[in-house]
Amino acid sequence: EADIYQTPRYLVIGTGKKITLECSQTMGHDKMYWYQQDPGMELHLIHYSYGVNSTEKGDLSSESTVSRIRTEHFPLTLESARPSHTSQYLCASSERIDPTDTQYFGPGTRLTVL
Amino acid sequence: DAKTTQPTSMDCAEGRAANLPCNHSTISGNEYVYWYRQIHSQGPQYIIHGLKNNETNEMASLIITEDRKSSTLILPHATLRDTAVYYCIVRGLSGSARQLTFGSGTQLTVLP
Repeated sequence: EADIYQTPRYLVIGTGKKITLECSQTMGHDKMYWYQQDPGMELHLIHYSYGVNSTEKGDLSSESTVSRIRTEHFPLTLESARPSHTSQYLCASSERIDPTDTQYFGPGTRLTVL
Repeated sequence: DAKTTQPTSMDCAEGRAANLPCNHSTISGNEYVYWYRQIHSQGPQYIIHGLKNNETNEMASLIITEDRKSSTLILPHATLRDTAVYYCIVRGLSGSARQLTFGSGTQLTVLP
C-alpha cells in the first residue's frame, strides 16, 4: 500500500475562490505528479516535479500552480476557481532511481466549482 | 510505449481466480508490462509489473508468455472489492517523469 495522501477528498466551492489541494507522501520519492481526470476519461498530466524547487508543466495546460519546498509535499493551487476546473485531481509519486517510473497514486480530490 | 489490447469486460465469481489477459504484440525488448486498477472514483492503484519472468506479490501474479507478446494478470481469490477497471500498459526505460497513459482497460466485476 502506497503512503501518499491527499486532502481534502471532496471539495465544493464557489467561483472565484482560491483553493489549495494538498498532497503528501512518506516514501521519500523525489518525483511527484498532478493529474486531472474526468469520469471515465484518461489521466492528463498537468504538473510534475523532480525534487525540491523543481516544477514543470505537463502535457495538459492548466491554470493551476504548484510548489515543491519539501520533498514530501506537493500542493496544487488554483488562484480563482471556475466551473471548468470541476474534475478529479490525482497526485502520484515515484522513485528517482526507478528506470520505469512506477507511479503510486493518492486517493484523489474531487473538486466541484459552482 | 507499445500498444496493448484487453477485453472490455469480464465477470468472476467471488472466491475464484480472476484471469485478465492482455495482448502487447509490438512490445520491445526493454519494455515492461505494468498492471494498474482503478476502483470507481478512486485513484489508480499499482498492482504489479514484470519484464520477462513471472512475478508474484501480495496482490496478484503476472504471467508473461515466453515471446512476451501477451500476459495474464491473476487475482487468485477474487473478492467483491476487486471489482474495478484493470489497465495493462507497457512502459519502456526512462529516468524522466512521464505521463501514465491507461487506455480503455478491462472492467472486472466480481459476482457474489
